[in-house]
Formats: sequence, structure tokens, C-alpha cells
Amino acid sequence: QVQLQESGPGLVKPSETLSLTCSVSGYSVDSSSSHYWSWIRQSPGKGLECIGYIFYSGTTNYNPSLKSRVAISIDTSKNQFSLNLRSVTVADTAVYYCARWTIVAGLDWYFDLWGRGTLVTVSS
Amino acid sequence: DIVLTQSPATLSVSPGERASLSCRASQSISKNLGWYQQKPGQAPRLLIYGTSTRATGVPARFSGSGSGTEFTLTISSLQSEDFAVYFCQQNHNWPAFGGGTKVEIK
Repeated sequence: QVQLQESGPGLVKPSETLSLTCSVSGYSVDSSSSHYWSWIRQSPGKGLECIGYIFYSGTTNYNPSLKSRVAISIDTSKNQFSLNLRSVTVADTAVYYCARWTIVAGLDWYFDLWGRGTLVTVSS
Repeated sequence: DIVLTQSPATLSVSPGERASLSCRASQSISKNLGWYQQKPGQAPRLLIYGTSTRATGVPARFSGSGSGTEFTLTISSLQSEDFAVYFCQQNHNWPAFGGGTKVEIK
């Protein structure tokens, strides 16, 4: 059974860097070209927002609205991928999910597996 | 950027009744639309992809239709476990979600 699990601090101070890791079990992140590994956040104000995604080769793509502050990396030896979001403000307070983005039926991409999510609060 | 607008924001339905949820795209996205269900304290779950194909394990009472800019998720006979928030999602240019429709017990 494939599972994704987020980990990292639940409280980050304004102007600091938010760092989260997603550990994948039951599936190798580098076993297929049909998946990207993504970060999504959810807040009452902005709803569900895709932050960015990474291929097992290390190729990344980021949300234009966050691009200047985001970095996603992958460690295939540990079967995990990570999110760094710099210079956070209270507006970055949200539940952060890691998810697998999969091409389905060769047609389009959907988020078919999600972690349980972790609440990150930005506050001094 | 393509914006997805869902309506209504809240839908009050009695168990056993039919529910129809709408998702409108600001420009045509062909049939490249998915639907997700989210229950309190849980992550979203993929229900429908490609407008009308149910994901693995999704009951047949869930169906999707539409194309272009107008899409509908229909739940034919609401069960207690179906009361949740539903989101639509598209991938044109960038993955984006609608604001959600909450289906609550009437």
C-alpha cells in the first residue's frame, strides 16, 4: 500500500524558512515516469493551491506566485522529497499536503495519492 | 490563468436524494477536469478524472459530465458518507482547484 507522510515543524516564525519532508512508503519515487511528486497547501483564504512538483530526475516546476521563494528537492535514496519556502508570512499559514501527480489513461494529470497533511502556522 | 468557479457554495440535501454540483471554467479545458472529495480532517480523495471516469473504488452513484467550460458532478442517491466538500481541478498551464462545494445534511 502506497503511503505519503509529511513531517516538519508545525510553527515557523515570520521571515524564516518553512521546511517539510514527505516520506513515501510502498512505492519508489523513481520507479516510473508517470508521476510527479508535489506539494499542495490549503488555507481558508486561498483554498487548495499547488505549490510545485518535482520529477525523480530533479526537474521542478513551481507556482508562478511562489516561485521566488520555493525550492523542492528529491532524495531517491531515502525515497522522500522536500519543500523549502523562504521568507514566510502569516499568509503562508496552511495545511500542507504532499501528493503524487499521475498521468491517468495517458491523457491528463491528477493527484491520485495524498498524505494526511500537516498544519504549519506562521507566528512569532 | 483559468479560474474554476464552483456552485453552489453549500448544498443541503437529504439522504437518498440526488445532488448536482457545478464547476465552471473561465475558458475551455476540453474534458480535462477532475473531482475530489474531502471529509473533515482528511486529505482530498480523487473521485473522477477526465470529466467522467471514476477512480478506483469509487461507487457508481458518483458520475461526472460536461465539456468545454461547464461540468457537473452528480451523486445519484446520497449516502451518509457522501456528506463532504467537493472540489474540481484542472491542469491547463498550472494545476488549479475550484473553491469547493460543501454537501451538508438537510
